Amino acid sequence: AQSVTQLGSHVSVSEGALVLLRCNYSSSVPPYLFWYVQYPNQGLQLLLKYTTGATLVKGINGFEAEFKKSETSFHLTKPSAHMSDAAEYFCAVSGRDDKIIFGKGTRLHILP
Amino acid sequence: ETGVTQSPTHLIKTRGQQVTLRCSSQSGHNTVSWYQQALGQGPQFIFQYYREEENGRGNFPPRFSGLQFPNYSSELNVNALELDDSALYLCASSYFTGAYGYTFGSGTRLTVV
Repeated sequence: AQSVTQLGSHVSVSEGALVLLRCNYSSSVPPYLFWYVQYPNQGLQLLLKYTTGATLVKGINGFEAEFKKSETSFHLTKPSAHMSDAAEYFCAVSGRDDKIIFGKGTRLHILP
Repeated sequence: ETGVTQSPTHLIKTRGQQVTLRCSSQSGHNTVSWYQQALGQGPQFIFQYYREEENGRGNFPPRFSGLQFPNYSSELNVNALELDDSALYLCASSYFTGAYGYTFGSGTRLTVV
């Protein structure tokens, strides 16, 4: 079975500062890992995914995440926050049954 | 390439009624998954359909049921609606395996009164 824990339901950063959203996963098999973003009243948009290969994954809008098996983590980062990054971010995991399980989400606030 | 389309976007139902939500999958995708997202929560997996058969189910009662059609579009049916069924219902399509990530629709906002 798979599960995801996102640390911090709300994160605030200043515009131009580093964004770090934390995600730890549990999986009985090698996982596939995802980050999705949700803007108000919209569905989820895939930011990036890790399946196999390189552990540092680059996504859209300048985001990237690193898969660390030893730490069971898949934290999301962006070097410089922009006001348009304000949204809800979901970490998700999938195992061999291909069902994607989501964390509870982290709301990112950008301070001017 | 069309995305995932859900209808209706909003609806209001009375407790005890039945509701049908519809989803058209992205072109080329053969798998549809449904999620319930309560206010302030992450999406919860309801079930998945692959080639018109249910291919896994989350912790939801039998009054949540679904269908997938030959063109891979899908329906989610909920009987005997309860107040706690009020949520955003998200449909996601994928090709064979979720390893490639899902494409989500914008959702149907269901309010049960």
